[in-house]
Amino acid sequence: AQKVTQAQTEISVVEKEDVTLDCVYETRDTTYYLFWYKQPPSGELVFLIRRNSFDEQNEISGRYSWNFQKSTSSFNFTITASQVVDSAVYFCALSGLDSSYKLIFGSGTRLLVRP
Amino acid sequence: DTAVSQTPKYLVTQMGNDKSIKCEQNLGHDTMYWYKQDSKKFLKIMFSYNNKELIINETVPNRFSPKSPDKAHLNLHINSLELGDSAVYFCASSRAGLAGETQYFGPGTRLLVL
Repeated sequence: AQKVTQAQTEISVVEKEDVTLDCVYETRDTTYYLFWYKQPPSGELVFLIRRNSFDEQNEISGRYSWNFQKSTSSFNFTITASQVVDSAVYFCALSGLDSSYKLIFGSGTRLLVRP
Repeated sequence: DTAVSQTPKYLVTQMGNDKSIKCEQNLGHDTMYWYKQDSKKFLKIMFSYNNKELIINETVPNRFSPKSPDKAHLNLHINSLELGDSAVYFCASSRAGLAGETQYFGPGTRLLVL
């Protein structure tokens, strides 16, 4: 069965610090997809990134970057020079044949960026 | 020009009542979903419809009944509401019900059963 683990329940940093959110996944599929979503205090779920299992290149988007490593089944998310507006709950998710293409979410990591 | 919208945003009701939540997407997507987010923020899929046809039906009490009048709408009707139904319900849509398709979420409906 597919599973996503976000071991960090809550992280607190001071503004401008870099922070990495960990995501470890389990799947028997050879083809699968990984996602990150952001849930700010206002409550909506915002899509951040999608990555397929054949593309292990790291991705950078502004202050955000993602490190996908199949060898360790991890898809970690780094925020550089964090800002107060980054405060949110971040979810990692997985989709593949093993879950009948359902989106399986991790339990989320709450990030608090203090001024 | 909201992509995925839900109404109402907040719903407070008494135990035993019946209520509905509506969802609409204007993205031209074929597949829509309902998710439940509990008080610990855990997100779990409940149902999925592809072009008005039910394709995912998780282990959900049959008091919950989804209805899709067309592929742009997916409503959720809940009968005989219980305290444990209190949660945030999210609607989402994607181009197709395939692995890897990005799901876009609505703003959520916060349901409180008293």
